[in-house]
Amino acid sequence: SQELEQSPQSLIVQEGKNLTINCTSSKTLYGLYWYKQKYGEGLIFLMMLQKGGEEKSHEKITAKLDEKKQQSSLHITASQPSHAGIYLCGAENTGNQFYFGTGTSLTVIP
Amino acid sequence: DAGITQSPRHKVTETGTPVTLRCHQTENHRYMYWYRQDPGHGLRLIHYSYGVKDTDKGEVSDGYSVSRSKTEDFLLTLESATSSQTSVYFCAISEPTEAKNIQYFGAGTRLSVL
Repeated sequence: SQELEQSPQSLIVQEGKNLTINCTSSKTLYGLYWYKQKYGEGLIFLMMLQKGGEEKSHEKITAKLDEKKQQSSLHITASQPSHAGIYLCGAENTGNQFYFGTGTSLTVIP
Repeated sequence: DAGITQSPRHKVTETGTPVTLRCHQTENHRYMYWYRQDPGHGLRLIHYSYGVKDTDKGEVSDGYSVSRSKTEDFLLTLESATSSQTSVYFCAISEPTEAKNIQYFGAGTRLSVL
């Protein structure tokens, strides 16, 4: 089975600070998806990366996929309390089945 | 928001009773999924459907069954609920293309089995 490891498991940062969350796979990724989950709610799709070296940004969140397509990072610039939640990376296997990392819990202190 | 409705949103039941969770979509997406989310395990796929009456097992399918008689509805049934099935259940939908398979999630159902 394929696994996605996320690090760190949890993160507490002061408002305004930058932070990075990592997602690592033991196998080549053919599509890497980032989601955000607010506590007690469903997952919201953020971004998808497919090509080695690809980088996408949405507002203050930037996601990158490395050249080998085995690691992705999510970077938040100048964090705000609205960024708080659980960030999950997900990928798809050849059978159209999705699997997810265990998530990174982000707390932003005002 | 994607048109996905899960019902009920919360349920408390007793061990051994049958439970059915419903996922309803208004997006006409072909694929529908059921996941469970537990601390330390993240999201794990239970079953998924790729069309009416077409379903397949996921990673943690034991003790669960599903049915999809209409495009818009995907039901998850616990025939005889156990305490280990206490969890938060999420439904997701997608319309895969060659390039991508973005899943959209419902708000979740919190199930407690006592």
